[in-house]
Amino acid sequence: AQSVTQPDIHITVSEGASLELRCNYSYGATPYLFWYVQSPGQGLQLLLKYFSGDTLVQGIKGFEAEFKRSQSSFNLRKPSVHWSDAAEYFCAVGPNDYKLSFGAGTTVTVRA
Amino acid sequence: GAVVSQHPSRVICKSGTSVKIECRSLDFQATTMFWYRQFPKKSLMLMATSNEGSKATYEQGVEKDKFLINHASLTLSTLTVTSAHPEDSSFYICSARVFWTGVEKLFFGSGTQLSVL
Repeated sequence: AQSVTQPDIHITVSEGASLELRCNYSYGATPYLFWYVQSPGQGLQLLLKYFSGDTLVQGIKGFEAEFKRSQSSFNLRKPSVHWSDAAEYFCAVGPNDYKLSFGAGTTVTVRA
Repeated sequence: GAVVSQHPSRVICKSGTSVKIECRSLDFQATTMFWYRQFPKKSLMLMATSNEGSKATYEQGVEKDKFLINHASLTLSTLTVTSAHPEDSSFYICSARVFWTGVEKLFFGSGTQLSVL
């Protein structure tokens, strides 16, 4: 069975500060790993994904994530947060691009 | 602009009534659409896979007679929550698998918040 845990329900960060969102997964084989972002009233938007190759993945909007097999983690990072990064972030795992299991999400609040 | 349109965004209904949620792929054909459900502060759970022209495939534990899925065209899938009860109150999201600039991608709708009184 596949599952995803996002330990942090809510994170508040100052604009310009760095951000790291944690994600731990459980999966029996080599997983596809994803980070999605959802702004209010919007659909989920793919930030980045990993399947193979370089374990440090670059995504859109200045985000990156690092796959660590030994820790079953796929944490998302951004060096300098902008107010527009305030949203809900979901980590997901699956056997392909479509059949995904999502975490419960982490809400990011950005303070001025 | 949005690739997938989901409607309505919010619906309140009385217990015992049925509610239909639409998921449309705009300008792109989607042979496969997916329906998810999210309880507050819980994971987004895949409910079913909807294939155009055939029966939906439901995940374990999802009642197919409660959650009717119809994918009659390449751009529209509907989820009908039949005889809704308060425990069906949840956030429902659809996604569509489309070819985007020659690559197959997954696009999500903005979700539907269902409240059953």
